Amino acid sequence: AQSVTQLGSHVSVSEGALVLLRCNYSSSVPPYLFWYVQYPNQGLQLLLKYTSAATLVKGINGFEAEFKKSETSFHLTKPSAHMSDAAEYFCAVSDLSTSQGNLIFGKGTKLSVKP
Amino acid sequence: NAGVTQTPKFQVLKTGQSMTLQCAQDMNHEYMSWYRQDPGMGLRLIHYSVGAGITDQGEVPNGYNVSRSTTEDFPLRLLSAAPSQTSVYFCASNLQANSPLHFGNGTRLTVT
Repeated sequence: AQSVTQLGSHVSVSEGALVLLRCNYSSSVPPYLFWYVQYPNQGLQLLLKYTSAATLVKGINGFEAEFKKSETSFHLTKPSAHMSDAAEYFCAVSDLSTSQGNLIFGKGTKLSVKP
Repeated sequence: NAGVTQTPKFQVLKTGQSMTLQCAQDMNHEYMSWYRQDPGMGLRLIHYSVGAGITDQGEVPNGYNVSRSTTEDFPLRLLSAAPSQTSVYFCASNLQANSPLHFGNGTRLTVT
């Protein structure tokens, strides 16, 4: 069965610093992978998705993620953090054991940005 | 563009009470799902539907019922609320299998 592990439940960076949020997945077949962002008291919004077209995926708000099959990773990065990036970030993989492809979510990483 | 609309935003129940969380989408998506979000647990799938008249259980279905009589609506029923069901509930929809989910803004439920 597919699974997702997000390393670090809290990450704190300074404004202007690199953001790196780690995600490792477990899947026996090429997966569909997603990153979502959740701002306080809101639902989740799609940041980006990997569907095997390209290993480097660009998303909204300057975020990108690189699919590395050899490391079973899909880490999220942003070169320069803004205060507005403070939120919780979730990595997710499609459950390919069902034809519906329901998403399996990681436990989330809360990003804090210091001025 | 309304997207996915959930009502109510907040609800407090006593143990044993029942209620229905409403979810409606206006994007003509076939797939709809309910998740619960608990601190440190991420989102866990409760029930899902791949079209009107078709529902199935997710990871944590006990204590919840769903039905899908129309493409637009996917209500979640709590039959007899328990404190363990205190959580934030999210409804989501997507166009097809493996396509991105569109989420509502959630219902924060407290069971005392």
